[in-house]
Amino acid sequence: QSALTQPASVSGSPGQSITISCTGTSSDVGGYNYVSWYQQHPGKAPKLMIYDVSNRPSGVSNRFSGSKSGNTASLTISGLQAEDEADYYCSSYTSSSTHVFGTGTKVTVL
Amino acid sequence: EVQLVESGGGLVQPGGSLRLSCAASGFTFSSYWMSWVRQAPGKGLEWVANIKQDGSEKYYVDSVKGRFTISRDNAKNSLYLQMNSLRAEDTAVYYCASAGGSGSYYQHWGQGTLVTVSS
Repeated sequence: QSALTQPASVSGSPGQSITISCTGTSSDVGGYNYVSWYQQHPGKAPKLMIYDVSNRPSGVSNRFSGSKSGNTASLTISGLQAEDEADYYCSSYTSSSTHVFGTGTKVTVL
Repeated sequence: EVQLVESGGGLVQPGGSLRLSCAASGFTFSSYWMSWVRQAPGKGLEWVANIKQDGSEKYYVDSVKGRFTISRDNAKNSLYLQMNSLRAEDTAVYYCASAGGSGSYYQHWGQGTLVTVSS
């Protein structure tokens, strides 16, 4: 049950696009279309941004999109805004019927 | 409006026990998988455990197996986490979360309750 691997930090200027990767194994990310992404602002609870690889919950901006290739999932934020500055975590269902989160990525808007 | 409100956190000595509760409202609690997720101070999210709608299936992260027990009372719209043999590394904010779809993601979260294990 090792954590999924994410870059520690990603930054971009307002209006730019950034992509956060989430690398696992064939027992989690690669084996199921059950990858989700969460945004967490300091001192706040996580918020669901993407579920089942590429689906957006109602109310989440269409600037957020998700995809997956093999054992790596990705979250792309387009038209970066100051309010997007936060920590982002991926999560996947696993072959053990458990879940695992990523190591987390701090997004900085320059 | 969906609400998940955790309670029961606090300071406990190593080796001690604590029971967390999560009161759910605003949705049909008995229809959803439920989970506990924790976050140590300054660290990332860690999935802890989940439980099926009727309580018939429960899964745990290896580090808490045999020490923590997840349970639910659908009549009371409540989720619980019994934590025994607590260790310093269990210190974290514990979040209650409701799962969407077939239990594959966490659509609603509580605000969390802090558990501190220290002598």
